[in-house]
Amino acid sequence: ETGVTQSPTHLIKTRGQQVTLRCSSQSGHNTVSWYQQALGQGPQFIFQYYREEENGRGNFPPRFSGLQFPNYSSELNVNALELDDSALYLCASSFQRNTEAFFGQGTRLTVV
Amino acid sequence: AQTVTQSQPEMSVQEAETVTLSCTYDTSENNYYLFWYKQPPSRQMILVIRQEAYKQQNATENRFSVNFQKAAKSFSLKISDSQLGDTAMYFCAFMKLPTNAGKSTFGDGTTLTVKP
Repeated sequence: ETGVTQSPTHLIKTRGQQVTLRCSSQSGHNTVSWYQQALGQGPQFIFQYYREEENGRGNFPPRFSGLQFPNYSSELNVNALELDDSALYLCASSFQRNTEAFFGQGTRLTVV
Repeated sequence: AQTVTQSQPEMSVQEAETVTLSCTYDTSENNYYLFWYKQPPSRQMILVIRQEAYKQQNATENRFSVNFQKAAKSFSLKISDSQLGDTAMYFCAFMKLPTNAGKSTFGDGTTLTVKP
């Protein structure tokens, strides 16, 4: 297992609610990337944080927002949840331009 | 924008045999990395192998090797001596350079089943 941990592992929310997912990056890593993986599909890049600043964003609406803390852990916030937001959310941590990113085990979000 | 296509949704192989998973990609970039990731039922994405676009030599990692054809934009994964533990979903991914690692475009995956 990698040193990347995500919480919670599973979550059920109601449409319209807000959710916060958390990611603790591997020791020594300063970059965290978030992905959404719908059932049966590959991960889709949401955004990346590097040294507490957003460093690139995929094709996701503004209700998907994030934060990175001084210890480089990160949060993904999703407002106004929709049924299509049901997915596995993965975070990956890395050290700058080192080419390997290490993934956590993901948070399974179900929106009902 | 880059796209990654994996045309084989499912594949199976007998234990100890060899299997090849296909991946094609589309990009106008010249400097990039390509990856194969394994995602077992535990959900954690694990890096299997990576290839730097500027290197002509194909990458190998133990039983895993790639066939990288830059002009054809093809990047296949060969698994030799397949083991039951290789059963998983396999994703091909592309990362444009320069960038911080983690900003990748993934294909939709191939589910590989290794049969005893």
